[in-house]
Amino acid sequence: EVQLVESGGGLVQPGGSLRLSCAVSGFSVSTNYMNWVRQAPGKGLEWVSLIYYDGDRFYADSVKGRFTISRDNSSNTLFLQMHSLRPEDTAVYYCAREVTSYHEASGYSNWFDPWGQGTLVTVSS
Amino acid sequence: QPVLTQPPSASGTPGQRVSISCSGSGSNIGSNTVTWYQQLPGTAPKLLIYSNHQRPSGVPDRFSGSKSGTSASLAISGLQPEDEADYFCAAWDDSVDSWVFGGGTKLTVL
Repeated sequence: EVQLVESGGGLVQPGGSLRLSCAVSGFSVSTNYMNWVRQAPGKGLEWVSLIYYDGDRFYADSVKGRFTISRDNSSNTLFLQMHSLRPEDTAVYYCAREVTSYHEASGYSNWFDPWGQGTLVTVSS
Repeated sequence: QPVLTQPPSASGTPGQRVSISCSGSGSNIGSNTVTWYQQLPGTAPKLLIYSNHQRPSGVPDRFSGSKSGTSASLAISGLQPEDEADYFCAAWDDSVDSWVFGGGTKLTVL
């Protein structure tokens, strides 16, 4: 069964650090694109970061220089290391596999499936 | 401010057809495929439509997607009470090398 389970969320003071984990079963993180997406309370979805299977990484401007995405192939786990946390980082953080497909008619197509259940990060003093 | 523009709300009565729009630009919707996600209250988002109009197995054919130029649309026919949820569109944006989402549309079934 394909499953993603996030953990590591909690309450942290502004300026603090936190590391989120996403334990994956049913497929390998090393051969898939993996993403973090967050959702502030009562707000919409915001993409945070992406790691390609070849190790290339991408970040939203709002977290660049503060967050680092990584993975551990042996434990099949995705991570998000967060530093210099700000109140505006308060959100539920979801990990999601990015599926990619190619069709001659329409070219490449990508989407997120599945998603984990999310872990809440609260940045407050 | 979300890069993709969606109406904040939509509504309909059971059995009706509703449509939700998603407007972007040449660097996102105009260049890449659009995905739609459904988020039921208190749950994680779930894939609803991919590659502009494809439905994953298990998604009823009442849900359909389309794309034209720099806009996309999600249509729900035969509206049911369990369709009450938030709906988000998404696309990759080539100009900023990042995924962008719409602000979400809250669908109410009256």
